[in-house]
Formats: sequence, C-alpha cells, structure tokens
Amino acid sequence: EVQLVESGGGLVQPGRSLRLSCTASGFTFGDYAMSWVRQAPGKGLEWVGFIRSKAYGGTTEYAASVKGRFTISRDDSKSIAYLQMNSLKTEDTAVYYCTRAVQFYFDYWGQGTLVTVSS
Amino acid sequence: SYELTQPLSVSVALGQTARITCGGNNIGSKNVHWYQQKPGQAPVLVIYRDSNRPSGIPERFSGSNSGNTATLTISRAQAGDEADYYCQVWDSSTADVFGTGTKVTVL
Repeated sequence: EVQLVESGGGLVQPGRSLRLSCTASGFTFGDYAMSWVRQAPGKGLEWVGFIRSKAYGGTTEYAASVKGRFTISRDDSKSIAYLQMNSLKTEDTAVYYCTRAVQFYFDYWGQGTLVTVSS
Repeated sequence: SYELTQPLSVSVALGQTARITCGGNNIGSKNVHWYQQKPGQAPVLVIYRDSNRPSGIPERFSGSNSGNTATLTISRAQAGDEADYYCQVWDSSTADVFGTGTKVTVL
C-alpha cells in the first residue's frame, strides 16, 4: 500500500525557515517524481513544485510564488522528499501536501501538514 | 500564465447527473486530471488524462476534453459525492496548474 507521511509543520515567524519531510513507503521511491501542493485555509489547491526522479536528472521545477525561496530535494536511500522553505511569508500559511507524481498528475497524496507563518 | 476556470458551485439532485466544467485556452490539446476533496481530507485522483479512472473509482465518474472545455461527469449522484472538485493540467510555461475548484452539492 502506497503511503506518504508529511512532517515538520508548525508555527514559524515571518522571514524564518522551515523544512518539511515526506516519508514514502509501499513503492520504489526512486522511480517516481515527487511533488508538493499546498492549500491555504479555505482556499483552493496550489502547486508548489516537484523533483524528477534520478532517471530524469533529479531536476526541480517551482511555482513562481515560491521560486528562489523554496527548495525540493530527495534522499532515495531513505525514501524521503524534502521541502526547504526560506524567507517565509504570512501568505505561505497553508496545509502542505506531498504527492507522488506520474506523468504530470498526482496519484497519491499524504494527509498534509499545516504550516502557519505568523508573528 | 495558463489559467483554468471552474464554476464556484454545482448542485445536483440525488441520482441525477452532475457536470463540472474546466475552462482553459485550447485545453483540448492538454491532458486534464481531476481530483475530489472532501472536507478535512486530502484530495483523491478521480480522473487522469482526460477520461481514465484509477482503480477503485466508480464508473459513475467520467471525463471528456475538447476545445476550450474539459468536463467531469458524475452519473447517478450520491450523497457521498459531495465534495470540492479540482481540474489540473501541465502547461509548458506555467508548469502544474489547478483550477479554481467547484463545490458539488447533492440535493
């Protein structure tokens, strides 16, 4: 059974950093791209970024709203994807979902972790 | 940037058919995917690549895509189908894009 479990969310002050983790199980992690999607309270879904599998270079893409501040990485030996968030803004407050990406769609989602950016 | 527009809400009588549209410039040339999100839960993929259902998704869910509009159709609507629905595409200039979301109410 495919499982994705996010961790690392919490309350953080504006301008500070936070790192989210996504621990995967139930599939060969290194074979898949992984993506992060967020949802602000009461709002719709917003794609944050993804990281390709090593077979496709392990490269990353980001939404314009987070480019230059957020970094996605992966550790295939541990089956973990990371989302490093720097220079956080109040508008980054959201539930952050980790997803498995297949041909540019998201077939499995974690339960999400809440990030609150507030002073 | 590429944008996807959905109606804010759709209502459907129990047992009838609901159609949720997703509008985008020449969306028919792209692969459209659909997600269902119930309150307090993570989204679930219900349709991928326009009209394909993942395993475990009822046949009542179907999709189509042509011209400037993609459509998710829910046949024989049930109370359990009440949820928010989002379309999504990959665009070469914008990367992944989600629609604005549609709240489906079963009356």
